[in-house]
Amino acid sequence: GQQVMQIPQYQHVQEGEDFTTYCNSSTTLSNIQWYKQRPGGHPVFLIQLVKSGEVKKQKRLTFQFGEAKKNSSLHITATQTTDVGTYFCAGKIGAGSQGNLIFGKGTKLSVKP
Amino acid sequence: NADVMQNPRHLVRRRGQEARLRCSPMKGHSHVYWYRQLPEEGLKFMVYLQKENIIDESGMPKERFSAEFPKEGPSILRIQQVVRGDSAAYFCASSLGVDTQYFGPGTRLTVL
Repeated sequence: GQQVMQIPQYQHVQEGEDFTTYCNSSTTLSNIQWYKQRPGGHPVFLIQLVKSGEVKKQKRLTFQFGEAKKNSSLHITATQTTDVGTYFCAGKIGAGSQGNLIFGKGTKLSVKP
Repeated sequence: NADVMQNPRHLVRRRGQEARLRCSPMKGHSHVYWYRQLPEEGLKFMVYLQKENIIDESGMPKERFSAEFPKEGPSILRIQQVVRGDSAAYFCASSLGVDTQYFGPGTRLTVL
């Protein structure tokens, strides 16, 4: 079936280090979205990428969508303790209202002060 | 309140009882999605509804689970004859169109 794989599953970093999570799909995606879930919280939308090769930045966060629209990455520069949480990618397969989001299993980030 | 609302936030049921989870989408949103999340795991899609219609229920177990989104009122996820394996966080999300989903705070179901 259609899958969205996300690696790594866990990442432990020292505060100030960089962090990257990768997302790969077996199928071409119409768009990809990223969400963050704090411990005990609910997923919160971060960004959506639509175009092939698209790069978007939000302060210390950089999001990329691959040329083939099958992979994506989220990179955080100089992590802070507030970055702690699980980061999910979600790929949209298919267009229009019938296309559903398929979530990766997430990368759980812990930051040691 | 413009946010997605879910209630109850915590629900405890004994095996064999019924669980009803409610979701009020963000104002103006007509698309509702239900997800299940087990501890330390990702979100598993269950069902996608638009007003009065089930669009995709491919992620929902065939038995004991049902969902509706009536013309008036919240969307309901109903689990009949709950078992311990149903214990999880259930999130609903809503969207205006077919893209960005806004999640509610979730209902944490515990089956004793």
